[in-house]
Amino acid sequence: DTAVSQTPKYLVTQMGNDKSIKCEQNLGHDTMYWYKQDSKKFLKIMFSYNNKELIINETVPNRFSPKSPDKAHLNLHINSLELGDSAVYFCASSQQASAFTDTQYFGPGTRLTVL
Amino acid sequence: KNQVEQSPQSLIILEGKNCTLQCNYTVSPFSNLRWYKQDTGRGPVSLTIMTFSENTKSNGRYTATLDADTKQSSLHITASQLSDSASYICVVSAGERFGAGTRLTVKP
Repeated sequence: DTAVSQTPKYLVTQMGNDKSIKCEQNLGHDTMYWYKQDSKKFLKIMFSYNNKELIINETVPNRFSPKSPDKAHLNLHINSLELGDSAVYFCASSQQASAFTDTQYFGPGTRLTVL
Repeated sequence: KNQVEQSPQSLIILEGKNCTLQCNYTVSPFSNLRWYKQDTGRGPVSLTIMTFSENTKSNGRYTATLDADTKQSSLHITASQLSDSASYICVVSAGERFGAGTRLTVKP
């Protein structure tokens, strides 16, 4: 009964490959997010979706494409993986979308390693 | 320079002791300031959310304070427990500016 789940937990792949990370939340929230945490532990927001619509798109390379088939799912597809993409990717959700005023619930993270 | 600076970078305390973590920011204006706890290998867990007009917010043994004039926030942990060992991250919501976190270790 995990609130926010991500798959896979670990992903090891070669440079140049295309991969996807899936995220699902069963909290009934309207808003979902993707964050990247680099080796220095800084978290950076990448995308935010509210009711399947993109509301935040930070300066992320267009090799990253989020897809929200419904408001309970937000998947992250990455094309042509590069070494610098290696990081832990966190999915999160919250009830409200405005200015991050609502409590966010994070998934367990996906550790991506690009060789 | 990061717009959200946390100190100390790491801290070791004995179980049962209190501690205070600092967060200084230059981001302005902002809508809210949040503190998260992140256990190793896990996602962050929200501890407190304060709007710019709030001075203090408590969540059990965690108390966050905010001084918007000096652009400082602190997280005070009372009667620390071994399970408090984690990274504590300060986030200023003006385009989501994250601090690097303070790594707290509580020893028996």
